[in-house]
Amino acid sequence: GAVVSQHPSWVICKSGTSVKIECRSLDFQATTMFWYRQFPKQSLMLMATSNEGSKATYEQGVEKDKFLINHASLTLSTLTVTSAHPEDSSFYICSALPRGGSTDTQYFGPGTRLTVL
Amino acid sequence: RKEVEQDPGPFNVPEGATVAFNCTYSNSASQSFFWYRQDCRKEPKLLMSVYSSGNEDGRFTAQLNRASQYISLLIRDSKLSDSATYLCVVNRRRDDKIIFGKGTRLHILP
Repeated sequence: GAVVSQHPSWVICKSGTSVKIECRSLDFQATTMFWYRQFPKQSLMLMATSNEGSKATYEQGVEKDKFLINHASLTLSTLTVTSAHPEDSSFYICSALPRGGSTDTQYFGPGTRLTVL
Repeated sequence: RKEVEQDPGPFNVPEGATVAFNCTYSNSASQSFFWYRQDCRKEPKLLMSVYSSGNEDGRFTAQLNRASQYISLLIRDSKLSDSATYLCVVNRRRDDKIIFGKGTRLHILP
């Protein structure tokens, strides 16, 4: 149990385009999902917390107008990178919290590798 | 000072050897501690939680020293399949978010 999927697993796009990444909890409901970004040889950095039915909370330094998050259901959160640029190329990973669970128990998706040309 | 610090490595260790990873954290109010394993181009996977009393899972032993704000992971009888990056993770209780260290890369040599 506790499987989280991400789609797509990798994407290559041209500079200036927008890319949408989906994060789904397959066998449980997740009121909270987290979006992380990891640059090569760096740690996972929390970008934002996505709460079902409400606005996402962004970490300091993350532009909310550039990284649009929508958590429209208890099993799906989406991250849209708008007007992507080469510096946005990174590994984007989501995690999901089961309803009532603590942040100690996050289930991670397999990640999406974004390359912006 | 970073919230979670680890030696980046890489550690190149012959198969069968014992490997030790160290980690320090800066927030004394942190309450939960973990070791994760991350394979290349994959998501992190929970290896084990770390408790004050120390805990062991097969070849893996984790220890926590709250006074020194120090966490360790010991791998005994290392296998080729242990090659990965080991991430030290701390729950920053003040806002209930987990913070990842940069990780220590481990290469087990045949």
